[in-house]
Amino acid sequence: DADVTQTPRNRITKTGKRIMLECSQTKGHDRMYWYRQDPGLGLRLIYYSFDVKDINKGEISDGYSVSRQAQAKFSLSLESAIPNQTALYFCATSDQGADTGELFFGEGSRLTVL
Amino acid sequence: GQNIDQPTEMTATEGAIVQINCTYQTSGFNGLFWYQQHAGEAPTFLSYNVLDGLEEKGRFSSFLSRSKGYSYLLLKELQMKDSASYLCAIMDSNYQLIWGAGTKLIIKP
Repeated sequence: DADVTQTPRNRITKTGKRIMLECSQTKGHDRMYWYRQDPGLGLRLIYYSFDVKDINKGEISDGYSVSRQAQAKFSLSLESAIPNQTALYFCATSDQGADTGELFFGEGSRLTVL
Repeated sequence: GQNIDQPTEMTATEGAIVQINCTYQTSGFNGLFWYQQHAGEAPTFLSYNVLDGLEEKGRFSSFLSRSKGYSYLLLKELQMKDSASYLCAIMDSNYQLIWGAGTKLIIKP
């Protein structure tokens, strides 16, 4: 089983619908992140959380919200989806104590907004 | 502004050596990362450089020159499974990762 699990893996929805992407991890890491990846662009940070009571906006947080329900769970919501939110979304974790700050990624959630 | 440049695509031959370059301009520097991403899959960590010089790990090596804002990833004895995108990322002064768009490496037999 994957250490970082994302659901759903694929989702097609319509403009204006509310969508939630969920992420759970078994690595015991405090830090969790949501990124989106678009063709020709680098990964862009949406939100990140360093512990259950800590939520921070990333580079492109507009149109998104998050919830850190527990150390192991971090969900991303699109309150009213729009077509330019069509992208591949990755959840990632890292260990606060690690020297390198290496990120461990989930397998990705491909979202299509029609 | 912050900028990371790497070639969009490179082609190499199985068994050969390839060097993927990354140049950067960022607000502060707290380390440089290389990740590998196969098509449709998650990125996976390859290497981390925070001091100048070469870090070797099996067939892969990563070099950093902080004064030049330059890094490269060197892949030796290329195998077909090395066909993937290679992502360069910089940890800036706020300990946030800034990502390059990635280099798609195509390996030909």
